[in-house]
Amino acid sequence: GAVVSQHPSWVICKSGTSVKIECRSLDFQATTMFWYRQFPKQSLMLMATSNEGSKATYEQGVEKDKFLINHASLTLSTLTVTSAHPEDSSFYICSANDVTSGRSNEQFFGPGTRLTVL
Amino acid sequence: AQKVTQAQTEISVVEKEDVTLDCVYETRDTTYYLFWYKQPPSGELVFLIRRNSFDEQNEISGRYSWNFQKSTSSFNFTITASQVVDSAVYFCALSEGAGGTSYGKLTFGQGTILTVHP
Repeated sequence: GAVVSQHPSWVICKSGTSVKIECRSLDFQATTMFWYRQFPKQSLMLMATSNEGSKATYEQGVEKDKFLINHASLTLSTLTVTSAHPEDSSFYICSANDVTSGRSNEQFFGPGTRLTVL
Repeated sequence: AQKVTQAQTEISVVEKEDVTLDCVYETRDTTYYLFWYKQPPSGELVFLIRRNSFDEQNEISGRYSWNFQKSTSSFNFTITASQVVDSAVYFCALSEGAGGTSYGKLTFGQGTILTVHP
């Protein structure tokens, strides 16, 4: 099956620093990846759609200057949380579509990255 | 706009009981996909099922079964003879079908916390 990895799996940082989270599709190409955020005991909320070779599309209410997304290749998207603050502490999950097979509407999720900002 | 409602916030059952998790959705699309995911304490989403809007057949997979009723916009999930390992948060999700502007994005319900006691 299609595998999506995320790195790091968890990170603790000081307030004001920037953190980069990587999302990789290991055995398929993903022209589109999605970034979700999940606060404790809450649901997953879509933050943005990451498109290979073009700018990301952000959902309403998500600050594009704070959550920088780069999708430089067909297998890698990165989310950088700039000047992180404690309220950014959350579980960040990426997903990817495998458009090269017949599973184009199947979402494959990464294992998530738990960010704690002190 | 799409919306998914899981009215049951928490369910507690004793092992071997059957349990049904409700999911009601709203969409204006004629083509869409419905999903169920399990999220154990580790946080990683486990894919359970995907159903497209044109397939109203119910499905059974082992102890799991799903009842899709387009007339009531519901996609309920039943676990038969529940086990302690079934304890997790379960999410119902909806995505637009191919060709739509929101293709691939998932709208999640609020989640249902299922606790199965021995």
